Amino acid sequence: NAGVTQTPKFQVLKTGQSMTLQCAQDMNHEYMSWYRQDPGMGLRLIHYSVGAGITDQGEVPNGYNVSRSTTEDFPLRLLSAAPSQTSVYFCASSRWGNEQFFGPGTRLTVL
Amino acid sequence: GENVEQHPSTLSVQEGDSAVIKCTYSDSASNYFPWYKQELGKRPQLIIDIRSNVGEKKDQRIAVTLNKTAKHFSLHITETQPEDSAVYFCAASSIGGGGGADGLTFGKGTHLIIQP
Repeated sequence: NAGVTQTPKFQVLKTGQSMTLQCAQDMNHEYMSWYRQDPGMGLRLIHYSVGAGITDQGEVPNGYNVSRSTTEDFPLRLLSAAPSQTSVYFCASSRWGNEQFFGPGTRLTVL
Repeated sequence: GENVEQHPSTLSVQEGDSAVIKCTYSDSASNYFPWYKQELGKRPQLIIDIRSNVGEKKDQRIAVTLNKTAKHFSLHITETQPEDSAVYFCAASSIGGGGGADGLTFGKGTHLIIQP
């Protein structure tokens, strides 16, 4: 099993550009989520999904969109990147009520 | 929503000594409390977790205690070793409670430094 995978590992964007951060898991987990990690702030929940076709907002959803068309994939879209979105982004997945497994992260810089 | 406070932000201990990191939470509905270890440039990895029906859990040199009445939980690492140096995060979640189902609220982290 590859576990949770994320692409790209690094990305630099200009303000106003759009992009999609990819996340996939091969463990047949129902629950998937996106967090951002900023220095001194811990990890904060952006969006989550409890199954294909179902998504909802977390603590810091503004500026981000998600969709969940399959169990395996949970992409995160930035429609118009802003410097405040410079961060490290982690995707995670779990079976309901169990340990969350994190992907390796995507380091995003918005200029 | 849930709020998790973590202390201290930095902890320096001598190799072989014990380290204790403390967290408090605000939502009495929270029932799952994991601890994650994150090395520089790496992903967070679960080291131990505890559910609200248990007061203490131990795994070799690592233990977690939970006081539901006071809404606080602590991580204890005994006989610290150089490889324990990392950032540790506590988190809280309300599993099965709907809403942000299984979404974790994290503390801001503790940088643990093991002095040789």
